[in-house]
Amino acid sequence: DAGITQSPRYKITETGRQVTLMCHQTWSHSYMFWYRQDLGHGLRLIYYSAAADITDKGEVPDGYVVSRSKTENFPLTLESATRSQTSVYFCASSANSPLHFGNGTRLTVT
Amino acid sequence: AQSVTQLGSHVSVSEGALVLLRCNYSSSVPPYLFWYVQYPNQGLQLLLKYTTGATLVKGINGFEAEFKKSETSFHLTKPSAHMSDAAEYFCAVSEVKAAGNKLTFGGGTRVLVKP
Repeated sequence: DAGITQSPRYKITETGRQVTLMCHQTWSHSYMFWYRQDLGHGLRLIYYSAAADITDKGEVPDGYVVSRSKTENFPLTLESATRSQTSVYFCASSANSPLHFGNGTRLTVT
Repeated sequence: AQSVTQLGSHVSVSEGALVLLRCNYSSSVPPYLFWYVQYPNQGLQLLLKYTTGATLVKGINGFEAEFKKSETSFHLTKPSAHMSDAAEYFCAVSEVKAAGNKLTFGGGTRVLVKP
C-alpha cells in the first residue's frame, strides 16, 4: 500500500547505544522530515531533507544524524542514546503540500 | 522565527456542545496555517489548512477555522462535539513554502468529550 511507514513501532534501548529509526515513503515526495513529540512541547523538528543527499538541521538536531541516499528512505540515527531522547518520533513527507505523517516510533532509553 | 501558541493544553466539552480550540501564531511573513488531529497511537492527520484566499476554512469532520490577520489567530471550531472528536489537536504554521511546508507546531490541546 502507498504511504509512509516507520519501523520499529516500539523500541527500548540502553544509554550509550546506537539506534536507527527507519522511515519509508512510497509517494516519491521530495521533502521528508523527522519530528519528536514530547508532552508540553508539541512536535519539534529534528532534521529535514529537500531531496536525496540534501539534509538540514531543524530546531533540535543535537545527538541525531540523518542520511538520505534514496528519495524514499530517511533513517534517523541516535549515535549514543541518552535518556533525554526518550520520545515519540514521527517521520513525515511532503511534495510542497501538507505533510503526511507516519504512525510514529515510541523510543525508550533506559 | 515562527512560533505557535495554543491556549489550554486540555479542553473538556459535553457531547453536542461547541468545540473551540485557540491558536495564535507569530510570523514575519504571511503564514500558511494548519490544524492537525492525532488519535491515540497514530500519526497526525490534516484537518484543514489556510494558504491564501478565503479566511474561513472548512475541513473534515465538521471542523472549520478562521484566519484573522489582525489578531494573528487561527482558532478551530466545531458547532457540535461528537464522542469521536476526542483526540489531540495541533495548530501549525509554515513560513517558507520552498522548504516543503516545514511546520512549526504548537504544544497541542487534548480534547475530552463527555457524554
